[in-house]
Amino acid sequence: EAQVTQNPRYLITVTGKKLTVTCSQNMNHEYMSWYRQDPGLGLRQIYYSMNVEVTDKGDVPEGYKVSRKEKRNFPLILESPSPNQTSLYFCASSFGEGTEAFFGQGTRLTVV
Amino acid sequence: GESVGLHLPTLSVQEGDNSIINCAYSNSASDYFIWYKQESGKGPQFIIDIRSNMDKRQGQRVTVLLNKTVKHLSLQIAATQPGDSAVYFCADWGTSGGGADGLTFGKGTHLIIQP
Repeated sequence: EAQVTQNPRYLITVTGKKLTVTCSQNMNHEYMSWYRQDPGLGLRQIYYSMNVEVTDKGDVPEGYKVSRKEKRNFPLILESPSPNQTSLYFCASSFGEGTEAFFGQGTRLTVV
Repeated sequence: GESVGLHLPTLSVQEGDNSIINCAYSNSASDYFIWYKQESGKGPQFIIDIRSNMDKRQGQRVTVLLNKTVKHLSLQIAATQPGDSAVYFCADWGTSGGGADGLTFGKGTHLIIQP
């Protein structure tokens, strides 16, 4: 089954404790991206990757890092999480610009 | 600045009626638009898309209309069913306010189905 898989689905952590949210897709997509969803603000892009070893900032990249060492994986790294990064995070993938994006089920992160 | 937005945050319709959800965009260079449906606790799911060289596209019970003159997009759902209850987002490729490549989403319309 074609899908985008995120882990974990739920995470509660403390301020400053590094964490990684994993994302994997099995559709051989070149483009992958991360979004955060907050009430009243909709979905905002954090980082994206056009292909392996190519990553770029989105609209809200501060406090986040990503890597794209393999085509199928695009982990989101929070080196020092803060409470304002409490949000619902989505990973997405697509064949490329101007094509349908497929989304994961989301990761609800709470930073206390 | 450039934005993709929706006119109404909540739309309530009777079961069986048609629903129309609207979206406005500001970038005349936008050439690809998608409607997504997001049910509670799930990620956005693709409904239908349209490119700027088209005015209308139909799917199963859904139709998307694009009016490039007034930069307006709409999603029509025929014979609305309880399973259509969700938040609907329009999205535009490549109009991120920060200049990034990717989907820029509107804030969403919550469609509520009345029995």
